[in-house]
Amino acid sequence: DTEVTQTPKHLVMGMTNKKSLKCEQHMGHRAMYWYKQKAKKPPELMFVYSYEKLSINESVPSRFSPECPNSSLLNLHLHALQPEDSALYLCASSQDRVRHEQYFGPGTRLTVT
Amino acid sequence: DAKTTQPPSMDCAEGRAANLPCNHSTISGNEYVYWYRQIHSQGPQYIIHGLKNNETNEMASLIITEDRKSSTLILPHATLRDTAVYYCIQYNQGGKLIFGQGTELSVKP
Repeated sequence: DTEVTQTPKHLVMGMTNKKSLKCEQHMGHRAMYWYKQKAKKPPELMFVYSYEKLSINESVPSRFSPECPNSSLLNLHLHALQPEDSALYLCASSQDRVRHEQYFGPGTRLTVT
Repeated sequence: DAKTTQPPSMDCAEGRAANLPCNHSTISGNEYVYWYRQIHSQGPQYIIHGLKNNETNEMASLIITEDRKSSTLILPHATLRDTAVYYCIQYNQGGKLIFGQGTELSVKP
């Protein structure tokens, strides 16, 4: 199984809502990543988890809160977002942080109204 | 910031080889060259990587110049399904993948 799954596929939320994005992999990978991708732009790294611990936070605003409850699961909690946060949110995993063949999920398309 | 430069777009005829160039003139000795592609509305897909030797897998070949300042990704027989944005990334193991603008490859019938 070389699949990274993400739910939901699409999400529309208001600026006062709280929602969560979910990412799951069952490849035994110990590194997991969140990326943000705006239209016609390349993916930008947000967070890196290694062995369930946050190892990189790319100065992401606190309205984005990542969580790694176990080695297969990665969440991104969203609160008080702005319309400019509308984007495709991609999750990825790799065997560890040294081996960088990353497997990406299909993404969650987020619209903030 | 991304350290590689790629042409913004390229066309290729179906069935022909697609040769995608990448310049990475600032690459250091312990940095690898990674290639990913992103088909429209999908997540990026890993293709291949190399350090200094040429590499080949079931998807593509990677040719790295002797001075390591540039490389070429070769898709030997391009199909319509290879239409995508191709990203060349200069990567230090344990670091971060930083995507540049990539090359938009259009494979035409």
